[in-house]
Amino acid sequence: DAKTTQPPSMDCAEGRAANLPCNHSTISGNEYVYWYRQIHSQGPQYIIHGLKNNETNEMASLIITEDRKSSTLILPHATLRDTAVYYCIVRPVHQGAQKLVFGQGTRLTINP
Amino acid sequence: EPEVTQTPSHQVTQMGQEVILRCVPISNHLYFYWYRQILGQKVEFLVSFYNNEISEKSEIFDDQFSVERPDGSNFTLKIRSTKLEDSAMYFCASSDSGGAYEQYFGPGTRLTVT
Repeated sequence: DAKTTQPPSMDCAEGRAANLPCNHSTISGNEYVYWYRQIHSQGPQYIIHGLKNNETNEMASLIITEDRKSSTLILPHATLRDTAVYYCIVRPVHQGAQKLVFGQGTRLTINP
Repeated sequence: EPEVTQTPSHQVTQMGQEVILRCVPISNHLYFYWYRQILGQKVEFLVSFYNNEISEKSEIFDDQFSVERPDGSNFTLKIRSTKLEDSAMYFCASSDSGGAYEQYFGPGTRLTVT
């Protein structure tokens, strides 16, 4: 089962920052936090991942609390194309193939 | 930008028939995965594959399922005798490392079993 908790849905106005929270209170020291999204019925798309430091790439920023029990994905200027289901996933860093365990995610709707 | 491709995009088959879903992972990737998503439900892990053998499989991946990397580019999922409940989107994914590296997903094959 997924080890994260996310709100089932959120709305955000176009052009504003979308802040998606995730709780992962049982995260272990060797587990990363990953964010993926799924637009309509397309394949999941990788967004960003981090261990304990905040991370930023061209798509988003990831803020991880100091105790690592929660994180926030930030889409700085949301567009209509960011409407999707966003998944927060914790996953250990081991050698070998590591599956992703998807929960229900947060359905983010960007409104014009 | 390299991407994972899957064929066909939609497959309709009759119950009891064999189907093969095909995937071309990103060329320098070493780890390969199949996931499925029944309509309206979560994305579920089926199997991971590395170095020409299965690394891990889920309870869903029973004897009716098999995977193969028949050549240097393709990765296939075979369902020997399809059931109505096999109707789902099937996603292939690949990564260049099994550890901290991200998985890249294909667009999926919609399998409809009638």
